[in-house]
Amino acid sequence: EAGVAQSPRYKIIEKRQSVAFWCNPISGHATLYWYQQILGQGPKLLIQFQNNGVVDDSQLPKDRFSAERLKGVDSTLKIQPAKLEDSAVYLCASSYRDRSFATGRELFFGEGSRLTVL
Amino acid sequence: AQRVTQPEKLLSVFKGAPVELKCNYSYSGSPELFWYVQYSRQRLQLLLRHISRESIKGFTADLNKGETSFHLKKPFAQEEDSAMYYCALSGSSNTGKLIFGQGTTLQVKP
Repeated sequence: EAGVAQSPRYKIIEKRQSVAFWCNPISGHATLYWYQQILGQGPKLLIQFQNNGVVDDSQLPKDRFSAERLKGVDSTLKIQPAKLEDSAVYLCASSYRDRSFATGRELFFGEGSRLTVL
Repeated sequence: AQRVTQPEKLLSVFKGAPVELKCNYSYSGSPELFWYVQYSRQRLQLLLRHISRESIKGFTADLNKGETSFHLKKPFAQEEDSAMYYCALSGSSNTGKLIFGQGTTLQVKP
């Protein structure tokens, strides 16, 4: 089966500019996650969707970050305006289980979008 | 607070030597623990989960609730085991959200 697709793979922008990342999860996966991975650190959850609803966005910097999953399939993560500290790899992941079957859930990750803010 | 700690950033061993990648967690309830691995130029992928109690590629990990640890072990390291390893915790929120440690780079020398 096709894996989680992300684009673009790389993006370089100046601070205060905006950027958008796109993710297409594995077909049939109801849950979609966006993680931020800063160099030398583990992935940190930014936002989690269940179909087209937000489950957890407690660590999303909402003054500059936004995300949507309008039709419950693909998703877009936007940063506006970008700061130097936003330089990171943005990972999208999906899983097939819904909220009632959390045990043993496996996340399938995309290759990530590497953002450099100058 | 939920937290995962991997104390070693880099672990370097020779081929055939035993490997133990350490993972400690902080969580008040009954956690689910996972090990994810990222090989060079590949995406992050699941290696094993404690609930399955399985051995994958010769790796095993036992959840020790008393010591709040979930160390990853392999008796004889292979060069192809060289990769970045992340320990991850899923708590009782039932959302499937994972909290990751900082990762340990395993380098297996010939």
